[in-house]
Amino acid sequence: GAVVSQHPSWVICKSGTSVKIECRSLDFQATTMFWYRQFPKQSLMLMATSNEGSKATYEQGVEKDKFLINHASLTLSTLTVTSAHPEDSSFYICSAKEGAAEAFFGQGTRLTVV
Amino acid sequence: QQQVKQSPQSLIVQKGGISIINCAYENTAFDYFPWYQQFPGKGPALLIAIRPDVSEKKEGRFTISFNKSAKQFSLHIMDSQPGDSATYFCAATIGGGYQKVTFGIGTKLQVIP
Repeated sequence: GAVVSQHPSWVICKSGTSVKIECRSLDFQATTMFWYRQFPKQSLMLMATSNEGSKATYEQGVEKDKFLINHASLTLSTLTVTSAHPEDSSFYICSAKEGAAEAFFGQGTRLTVV
Repeated sequence: QQQVKQSPQSLIVQKGGISIINCAYENTAFDYFPWYQQFPGKGPALLIAIRPDVSEKKEGRFTISFNKSAKQFSLHIMDSQPGDSATYFCAATIGGGYQKVTFGIGTKLQVIP
């Protein structure tokens, strides 16, 4: 299957700082990317959907000013957690798809805010 | 509001046994039902998927059974192996593709020797 790479795999940041997570499609053009958050022993919750070159569409309850999503190219989307707090600590996972094809998931990023 | 209900949340099966995970949904607009396998610290990977016009789909040791009238579907893992130990998520999408995947809560499967 196609490869979606997330970076970093894990990150620790201080409370109040911002952290950026990258999601790259390595062998296809990701016209649509999705960002999910997964708390321990819970399911994946969709945070937002982004189409290349357009503003992201956020799910209800997700603060767009706190979770900044940029999908400026067909191979890269970034999620920036601004002014991170301990409650933002979670496993963040992206997925990417080309057109109507299957979506592939990245390996996830473990964020710990201390 | 949990749109896709999954059970059990954890499951222990002997090696060689059959693992069964059940899911139910309410939204009749769902028209594609993928199952994902997730190992610790990794993202989910598509395992098998089914459309509601089919009652059963089999791929190797993995079988999905689908009951459209009951709005239920299940994953059967035959001859379960220790390497199958992972968390399994049922999911549902609208539009026949992978827009906005709605996941179940997940089932942590442990296959013991």
